[in-house]
Amino acid sequence: AQSVTQLDSQVPVFEEAPVELRCNYSSSVSVYLFWYVQYPNQGLQLLLKYLSGSTLVKGINGFEAEFNKSQTSFHLRKPSVHISDTAEYFCALYNFNKFYFGSGTKLNVKP
Amino acid sequence: EAGVAQSPRYKIIEKRQSVAFWCNPISGHATLYWYQQILGQGPKLLIQFQNNGVVDDSQLPKDRFSAERLKGVDSTLKIQPAKLEDSAVYLCASSPGGNGYTFGSGTRLTVV
Repeated sequence: AQSVTQLDSQVPVFEEAPVELRCNYSSSVSVYLFWYVQYPNQGLQLLLKYLSGSTLVKGINGFEAEFNKSQTSFHLRKPSVHISDTAEYFCALYNFNKFYFGSGTKLNVKP
Repeated sequence: EAGVAQSPRYKIIEKRQSVAFWCNPISGHATLYWYQQILGQGPKLLIQFQNNGVVDDSQLPKDRFSAERLKGVDSTLKIQPAKLEDSAVYLCASSPGGNGYTFGSGTRLTVV
């Protein structure tokens, strides 16, 4: 069975501070892992994805994520957040031609 | 390249009414998906089409939901009759194959 767990439903952080959004997954086979961002009243936008190769993946808007197979984790990080990063972030596992999404983490960046 | 188009953007209906959503995928994308995103949850796959055939509809509540993709291009998702718990954002996505998904902006349904 495939599943994705996002450990924090909400993360408040001050502007210019670093942030980490946590994601753990469960799968019996090799997986592809993704992070999507959703701004209010908009669809899902791809931030980054891990398919294979280097475990450190860089995405758009200064985000990066690290795939850790032993920990079954794919945490998202940004060294310095901006107000415009306020949004909901979804971790997703892709397998057997479909996505399995986590429940989302709301990132609230305060001035 | 044009994105995945969905309409309407918003819809408010009373329970027991019917409603339909429309999705036009990216040209050439053979695979089309409908997802339901309830507030506070991640998107959940309702149905997957490959061209005009259904690949996976195991999570589709077939007593009230139906979907079709005639001619293998655009698709409609219908709910009849709607229940309060159907209030959600309905996302359409398309893919040419592999993991190259593109999501539409979604239709926000409110059932009152």
